[in-house]
Amino acid sequence: LAKTTQPISMDSYEGQEVNITCSHNNIATNDYITWYQQFPSQGPRFIIQGYKTKVTNEVASLFIPADRKSSTLSLPRVSLSDTAVYYCLVGDETGGFKTIFGAGTRLFVKA
Amino acid sequence: DVKVTQSSRYLVKRTGEKVFLECVQDMDHENMFWYRQDPGLGLRLIYFSYDVKMKEKGDIPEGYSVSREKKERFSLILESASTNQTSMYLCASSFGRPEETQYFGPGTRLLVL
Repeated sequence: LAKTTQPISMDSYEGQEVNITCSHNNIATNDYITWYQQFPSQGPRFIIQGYKTKVTNEVASLFIPADRKSSTLSLPRVSLSDTAVYYCLVGDETGGFKTIFGAGTRLFVKA
Repeated sequence: DVKVTQSSRYLVKRTGEKVFLECVQDMDHENMFWYRQDPGLGLRLIYFSYDVKMKEKGDIPEGYSVSREKKERFSLILESASTNQTSMYLCASSFGRPEETQYFGPGTRLLVL
């Protein structure tokens, strides 16, 4: 199964841009890359998804290089409320549903 | 808005008890999932279902079973609860394709004594 590797934790200050990189060396041709955010005592929620190049929405940007072996979630001007765990997911290389969440990256935003 | 609800937020059971965790979604999603989340391990997939009465094992199905008799409801069953099943259990649902967004419930924190 495709595996992702992310930093365990990151610290930032309010107003800074935060970039979280995820490596997924074994990503399959058909796999999308999806990022979720999870606050304490809540289920994860979708942030952004992409297949290649760059995707931007009202919350974040996702940068995917041509080889797709990594991706970077970019959070512009973070606030205290962005303190959460961020998960990078790629699909099951067989095209099934066994996506792997991994341990995620714990982002702590300080005032 | 998609809504995924779970029957309990907190549950305390004794070793050997049979435990039912219920999940209901209101968006007519084909797929439903059960995960458990433990510190440092992220979310691990227990079982998923892509249609009524269909189920497939995830990464850690041992000690669990599931039931999906209706499209909107997916139940996780611990036949004989053990202390190592103390965890946060998260249910999710999604539309047809694997890359579709999964919508999660609030989770059930289960303590097995």
